[in-house]
Amino acid sequence: AQSVTQLDSQVPVFEEAPVELRCNYSSSVSVYLFWYVQYPNQGLQLLLKYLSGSTLVKSINGFEAEFNKSQTSFHLRKPSVHISDTAEYFCAVSAIGTGFQKLVFGTGTRLLVSP
Amino acid sequence: EPEVTQTPSHQVTQMGQEVILRCVPISNHLYFYWYRQILGQKVEFLVSFYNNEISEKSEIFDDQFSVERPDGSNFTLKIRSTKLEDSAMYFCASSEGPGQPQHFGDGTRLSIL
Repeated sequence: AQSVTQLDSQVPVFEEAPVELRCNYSSSVSVYLFWYVQYPNQGLQLLLKYLSGSTLVKSINGFEAEFNKSQTSFHLRKPSVHISDTAEYFCAVSAIGTGFQKLVFGTGTRLLVSP
Repeated sequence: EPEVTQTPSHQVTQMGQEVILRCVPISNHLYFYWYRQILGQKVEFLVSFYNNEISEKSEIFDDQFSVERPDGSNFTLKIRSTKLEDSAMYFCASSEGPGQPQHFGDGTRLSIL
């Protein structure tokens, strides 16, 4: 079975400051990793994914995440946040090669960006 | 960009009543999922569906729940006799294949009175 831990339930940060949202996972098999973002009153939108290859993955809006197998982590970072980045961020994993690969989510981190 | 659509956005139902939540997955996707999120809790997997049958279900998905793909476009979740604890946001998702990213709808907020 897989589990995902997002230790920070809420991260307040000022606009243009850097931010890191932490994600650690536990799994007895290899996994794919994902970050989803949920804006108020909206569904989950895929932000980033790591399936294979380079361990550093980047999104079009400046977020990046690095897969660290030895530390079983997939932390999300952005060097300079905007007010519009205020949202809930969910880290998720799915086991490779075991059926249809349901997503297992963390509890989410609410990013609050203030002026 | 194609998207997953869910209806209704909000459903209010009396306890014990049947409810059907509807989803239209992305048209070329073959794998379908339902998740739920109880207020303040994490998103939880309910069921996955492929080739007109359930491929995996969680322990939450008991006999009160069922899924169906009644035609070539819709994917439904039915709760036969709702309980107060079924109140949650229900998300439908679809993907092209195993391991491919799942795309989510905006959810249906189900409120059981």
